[in-house]
Amino acid sequence: AQTVTQSQPEMSVQEAETVTLSCTYDTSESDYYLFWYKQPPSRQMILVIRQEAYKQQNATENRFSVNFQKAAKSFSLKISDSQLGDAAMYFCAYRIYGGANTPLVFGKGTRLSVIA
Amino acid sequence: EPEVTQTPSHQVTQMGQEVILRCVPISNHLYFYWYRQILGQKVEFLVSFYNNEISEKSEIFDDQFSVERPDGSNFTLKIRSTKLEDSAMYFCASSEGLAGVGNIQYFGAGTRLSVL
Repeated sequence: AQTVTQSQPEMSVQEAETVTLSCTYDTSESDYYLFWYKQPPSRQMILVIRQEAYKQQNATENRFSVNFQKAAKSFSLKISDSQLGDAAMYFCAYRIYGGANTPLVFGKGTRLSVIA
Repeated sequence: EPEVTQTPSHQVTQMGQEVILRCVPISNHLYFYWYRQILGQKVEFLVSFYNNEISEKSEIFDDQFSVERPDGSNFTLKIRSTKLEDSAMYFCASSEGLAGVGNIQYFGAGTRLSVL
C-alpha cells in the first residue's frame, strides 16, 4: 500500500522569507501523481501544485515550487517570499496513475505559520 | 469560482443515531468522493462514486456507511448507527473526470461530526 509521510507537524516562517515543507512517500509504482494541497483555517483544501512522476522537471506555480526526487521518493514544497495568506495546513498527497477517479493518499499535514 | 459546499459545518449526534452529511459538488463534475480525518490522523479515503454507483471504497467504508445522489445536485453520506470512533472531519470532493493529473479533486470545507 502507498503511504505518504510529512515529518514536520508544524513549521513557521518570517514574512518574505522562504520555507520548505518535506514530504516522502512509499510506492512500488513507477507512474503516479503527487500533489500539495493547502487548507486555510475553516476553509476548503485547495490545490497548490501538482507533479506527474514521469516528468523530471520540477513543477512551479508562481511562488510555489517543488523538489521532486523520484529515486528518493521525496516531494518537498518550497514557498518563496512567504505571505501572511500562506498560513495554513499543507497536505502532501499521492495518486496512483490510471483511472479518472483513483483516490488520493494523504500525509498528516504540516501546519505553517507566517510571522509578520 | 465554483465550490464544493458541505452542510452542516458541525454536526453533533448521540451514539447509535443515524446522520446524513450533505454535499453539493461542482455542477459539471462527474466523480464524487468522501474522505474523513480523525483528529490528529491522516485524511483517509472512504468512497468514490460515479454514474450513480460506487466505483471504489476503502475498508473503512463498511455496511454502516452508504452514499447517495438523491437528485442532480446533492451527494450524501449516511452513517446508520454512529459510533464514538466515527467522530471526525468528513470531506466531500468532486472532480471532472479528466484523465491523468488533470483530474483535480476539489474539496469542500468539511463537516465536523461529533458523536457523544
